[in-house]
Amino acid sequence: AQKVTQAQTEISVVEKEDVTLDCVYETRDTTYYLFWYKQPPSGELVFLIRRNSFDEQNEISGRYSWNFQKSTSSFNFTITASQVVDSAVYFCALILRGSGGSNYKLTFGKGTLLTVNP
Amino acid sequence: KAGVTQTPRYLIKTRGQQVTLSCSPISGHRSVSWYQQTPGQGLQFLFEYFSETQRNKGNFPGRFSGRQFSNSRSEMNVSTLELGDSALYLCASSLGGALDTQYFGPGTRLTVL
Repeated sequence: AQKVTQAQTEISVVEKEDVTLDCVYETRDTTYYLFWYKQPPSGELVFLIRRNSFDEQNEISGRYSWNFQKSTSSFNFTITASQVVDSAVYFCALILRGSGGSNYKLTFGKGTLLTVNP
Repeated sequence: KAGVTQTPRYLIKTRGQQVTLSCSPISGHRSVSWYQQTPGQGLQFLFEYFSETQRNKGNFPGRFSGRQFSNSRSEMNVSTLELGDSALYLCASSLGGALDTQYFGPGTRLTVL
């Protein structure tokens, strides 16, 4: 069975601090996809990044960076120099391809509420 | 380009009733996915429609159903509402499905009394 664990339920930081959100996944499949989404108070989820299981290259996008480590089944997300606008719930998600091409199984973590205080 | 729209934004129903939620995807997107978000269960995938066909389905009872029209607009129906169906229902559209970049709507907040 597949599983996504975001052990940090809530994190509170002061503006300009760096913060890392943890995501640990479980799957026996060798092909899978990992995602991070942001859900601000308005409620709409915003796609941040997608990574497939064959691409372990870390990625940086502005103040955001992601560390994918298959050896520890982790896909952690770091925000550098956090800002108040980063306050949101962040979700990690795992997608497994099923049989039949377009079939898939999608599992979200419980989310981490990040509060950035001025 | 207009984003994903969902109507209504808020809905109050009583147990046993049925409800229909609507989602209009971004123009050109053929995939519409539906998700349920509750404090207890978190975010859960309901189903995905692609070109009017249900392509993927999550683990929800048959009371939850949907359809997609030729213009890619989608509706989700929940029959015989239960208190536990109270949730934020999110719709997402994409070109190809959940493996593509999905664009989410603001959601419909359903309260079942």
